[in-house]
Amino acid sequence: GAVVSQHPSWVICKSGTSVKIECRSLDFQATTMFWYRQFPKQSLMLMATSNEGSKATYEQGVEKDKFLINHASLTLSTLTVTSAHPEDSSFYICSARAGTSGRWYEQYFGPGTRLTVT
Amino acid sequence: QKEVEQNSGPLSVPEGAIASLNCTYSDRGSQSFFWYRQYSGKSPELIMSIYSNGDKEDGRFTAQLNKASQYVSLLIRDSQPSDSATYLCAARGDDKIIFGKGTRLHILP
Repeated sequence: GAVVSQHPSWVICKSGTSVKIECRSLDFQATTMFWYRQFPKQSLMLMATSNEGSKATYEQGVEKDKFLINHASLTLSTLTVTSAHPEDSSFYICSARAGTSGRWYEQYFGPGTRLTVT
Repeated sequence: QKEVEQNSGPLSVPEGAIASLNCTYSDRGSQSFFWYRQYSGKSPELIMSIYSNGDKEDGRFTAQLNKASQYVSLLIRDSQPSDSATYLCAARGDDKIIFGKGTRLHILP
């Protein structure tokens, strides 16, 4: 149980274009989803937290107009990187949790999406 | 600022020995603690959760929690080369999990 999928697993795009990454919880309903970014040999960096049907909460320093997050249902969240630039190239990982108490607080990660902007 | 601190390593352990990974956390109110394993180029995988003081065992893994000392540890018995990875310690914050930066573990064949 507690499987989270991401699509695509890797994507190459040209500078200035937009890329959408999907995150799905396959066997549970995710009340909250998280988006992280990780550069090579660095630690996870939380970008934003989204609750189903609500606007995402962005971490300090993350541009909300550049990284658009939509959490339209209890099993799907999307991250759109708008007007991508080479410095946006990174490993983007989503995470989901089912609730806020006990073991429902456990976060499960998707496999990640490797974005390369040329 | 709520923080989770870990030694970045690398921690080198001979195959078959016990690997001991430690972390401390700053928020005395945290009630839930987690250990994740992350292989290079992959996303983190939850391997242990612990919610009360003491030990929790799952196969070769034992998580230990001491809330008075604000200390969490993970023991890996009979270490295998496949255990070589970065281990992330995490603690529940207000509305999200706070992750440490991870300890790199290298099991020597």
